[in-house]
Amino acid sequence: KAGVTQTPRYLIKTRGQQVTLSCSPISGHRSVSWYQQTPGQGLQFLFEYFSETQRNKGNFPGRFSGRQFSNSRSEMNVSTLELGDSALYLCASSPNTGRDYGYTFGSGTRLTVV
Amino acid sequence: GNSVTQMEGPVTLSEEAFLTINCTYTATGYPSLFWYVQYPGEGLQLLLKATKADDKGSNKGFEATYRKETTSFHLEKGSVQVSDSAVYFCAPYGGAAGNKLTFGGGTRVLVKP
Repeated sequence: KAGVTQTPRYLIKTRGQQVTLSCSPISGHRSVSWYQQTPGQGLQFLFEYFSETQRNKGNFPGRFSGRQFSNSRSEMNVSTLELGDSALYLCASSPNTGRDYGYTFGSGTRLTVV
Repeated sequence: GNSVTQMEGPVTLSEEAFLTINCTYTATGYPSLFWYVQYPGEGLQLLLKATKADDKGSNKGFEATYRKETTSFHLEKGSVQVSDSAVYFCAPYGGAAGNKLTFGGGTRVLVKP
């Protein structure tokens, strides 16, 4: 069974640009969450989608957005990149909610903003 | 929302030593509790879980018991190996915080041969 796949693995962008990250969840998983990991702030929740609907959102500016498609694949977009957006972005999936099974994480996309 | 306090690392141990990583949480409602592990350059791996009070999660020699009365979920392993060197994260899920994991700061563990 394939795991959670995130693409690309590494990305370098210039300040002011925008970026789109992609996540393919485990087959059959309908819930997809995104987290940002930085040395200073640790792991912070961005948002969670279930059946194409955003169910929960973290405390991030509107520059951060996401969506989920009918096949459960998800994308997140960051517009007008800032240096502080440099981080490891992790996607995670779960069958329904994470309460009973937790979330399975991908290897992440490491974004560097220069 | 939920919050987590984990003991700060790094925790340095010799192989075959006993490992304990303390975790206490603050949450309203009845969250599930998880331990995740992160190896260098990788994403997070689910280590073990407990979904209700007094449940004991176990995996790969690691154990943790959901203690609602003390709001704790301490991780233990009786005999660590060099391969257990990693960062460990405690995370409640749900309750009043909704559908998300709330992570502690992580505890780095270094096991020396």
